[in-house]
Amino acid sequence: QSALTQPASVSGSPGQSITISCTGSISDIGIYNYVSWYQQHRDKAPKVVIFEVTNRPSGISDRFSGSKSGITASLTISGLQAEDEADYFCMSYTSSGSLVFGGGTKLTVL
Amino acid sequence: QVQLQESGPGLVKPSETLSLNCAVSDYSISNGFYWAWIRQAPGKGLEWIGSIYNNGPTYYNPSLKSRVTISLDTSKNHFSLKVASVTAADTAVYYCARDYPVLRYFDFWGHGTLVTVSP
Repeated sequence: QSALTQPASVSGSPGQSITISCTGSISDIGIYNYVSWYQQHRDKAPKVVIFEVTNRPSGISDRFSGSKSGITASLTISGLQAEDEADYFCMSYTSSGSLVFGGGTKLTVL
Repeated sequence: QVQLQESGPGLVKPSETLSLNCAVSDYSISNGFYWAWIRQAPGKGLEWIGSIYNNGPTYYNPSLKSRVTISLDTSKNHFSLKVASVTAADTAVYYCARDYPVLRYFDFWGHGTLVTVSP
């Protein structure tokens, strides 16, 4: 199985919005809505911020939102804050019954 | 709040078997969730290793399947990972996590434990 494709890095200024893309295939993102996004601060365990493409777990800010079109899922963070600076990973269920991550995107808040 | 804690040797010799346990607190592992292992090599991304469901079906990453075994011990409320014939490429932080059924996302994670493969 191939890893999902994410940009290596994105950046934005405080208050701005950014979007991170996650491109898969017709065997994963293209046919399942089981896409999740994880935030990982340096030397910390990942934390889920979006599941099932658009849903936020309890306690996650509504500044985080998710969407999907075709084989590409996206995570948007609005009103950027310094605390949002972290690595972000997407993940999808696949038709083979596996789970596959994206390579990760480093978000820098300028 | 479900809590998970990884434990095991921090150093394993090449060609030997890596063994880790994940103790689960405040939730019974026989209550119908998947239980998963994920790893992250230094400076790299996340890699799903596999998930086990309630002592039933076990699913593995195809790239690791020939070397990996995941099992549950409901009497101790923990689950385990074994990776055979390790090489330096298996050096990573290993995380255990709860894997939400059907929706298949990881809602609770352990803190992670670094395993180094070195002579």
